Amino acid sequence: SQQGEEDPQALSIQEGENATMNCSYKTSINNLQWYRQNSGRGLVHLILIRSNEREKHSGRLRVTLDTSKKSSSLLITASRAADTASYFCATDGETSGSRLTFGEGTQLTVNP
Amino acid sequence: SAVISQKPSRDICQRGTSLTIQCQVDSQVTMMFWYRQQPGQSLTLIATANQGSEATYESGFVIDKFPISRPNLTFSTLTVSNLSPEDSSIYLCSVARDRGEKLFFGSGTQLSVL
Repeated sequence: SQQGEEDPQALSIQEGENATMNCSYKTSINNLQWYRQNSGRGLVHLILIRSNEREKHSGRLRVTLDTSKKSSSLLITASRAADTASYFCATDGETSGSRLTFGEGTQLTVNP
Repeated sequence: SAVISQKPSRDICQRGTSLTIQCQVDSQVTMMFWYRQQPGQSLTLIATANQGSEATYESGFVIDKFPISRPNLTFSTLTVSNLSPEDSSIYLCSVARDRGEKLFFGSGTQLSVL
């Protein structure tokens, strides 16, 4: 079943601003991952955060994980027009065997 | 990393026919999965492709409709059978080197059924 819920569904910002996307889930997880998808094609992995981690950084990306609230956030700082894409969270449940469950996604538009 | 070649990239098929999608990985991987993404929606896992044995299907997906082969650790095929317009979607192959690791995705197959 689809357990990831993301908000907002769509986000439109100006270049240089920060973008924050949120993800909630329902079951216990081994890790939570964020992916990016351009124009409905293949997904690209952005960052993986394990259940015993609270925050992780990668370049302009910052991910937080709150397992008590079953939620995660993805922050993109100093956004660029090239960041325009759909962003998905995906959870690897404790019993899923790496079968990820994807959230509904956030469509981010960065205006030049 | 893993480089995945997925073919075809797109196809237009007639109702009642079948389409076979190929997924070739540049190195051996433990886990291979097939996902479906219906227009404007998120990804839904169809099945886990198991090397040398029958695939493991998720609820709502059956082998007769989505037969899967995985003859070795670098190659898999997904067939979408008896096509109907409701099968129009993007189909994505993905792999992971090991359990609990990130997924690498193919570029997807855009299927349109007339």
